Amino acid sequence: SQQGEEDPQALSIQEGENATMNCSYKTSINNLQWYRQNSGRGLVHLILIRSNEREKHSGRLRVTLDTSKKSSSLLITASRAADTASYFCATDAGIGSGNTGKLIFGQGTTLQVKP
Amino acid sequence: EPEVTQTPSHQVTQMGQEVILRCVPISNHLYFYWYRQILGQKVEFLVSFYNNEISEKSEIFDDQFSVERPDGSNFTLKIRSTKLEDSAMYFCASSVYRGLNTEAFFGQGTRLTVV
Repeated sequence: SQQGEEDPQALSIQEGENATMNCSYKTSINNLQWYRQNSGRGLVHLILIRSNEREKHSGRLRVTLDTSKKSSSLLITASRAADTASYFCATDAGIGSGNTGKLIFGQGTTLQVKP
Repeated sequence: EPEVTQTPSHQVTQMGQEVILRCVPISNHLYFYWYRQILGQKVEFLVSFYNNEISEKSEIFDDQFSVERPDGSNFTLKIRSTKLEDSAMYFCASSVYRGLNTEAFFGQGTRLTVV
């Protein structure tokens, strides 16, 4: 499998429920970022977690990072219909030692929140 | 809030024609990127650009592609002779990278349709 694999590929929940999406990666990283994409639209940056961090919060978002397992999870609490979108994790090997800050994206999780 | 802007939002072109996709990165950012997303697939890295030169490119970024920063604000992606398989959403991104961990901000994308 490739760097930045998310699961599940699709998730359907009721409004008010929590949504958890997972991401796994293969190589060492500098940070991991989560992005949101509404259908056919641009990528919106949600949160960045550094390789030396284990958990980060931003509003209703909670991201964890386990570098020993090379995995991350994104939790959206108390979901709303407006959270319906695709969510992507992207890993960044940083700048230096031949790295240029490029992001490697996963396949994404499509989240549907039913009102 | 500063944002990355891309024009046009949608471009239709005939196979074999040249297209130029334009981006205005965030003004104090130093690193610039192009990514593409074929419909229903994940976001793929094309090229990174720093200090007026390409710092990394993917295998997708063949001789038909070129990038340029013609002035202090614009960053362009040119496809010399478009193919049907070039149809995709193209995203420009920029980051400041003054520290080790900096978010990449994406534009809304240009949807390129080659007919």
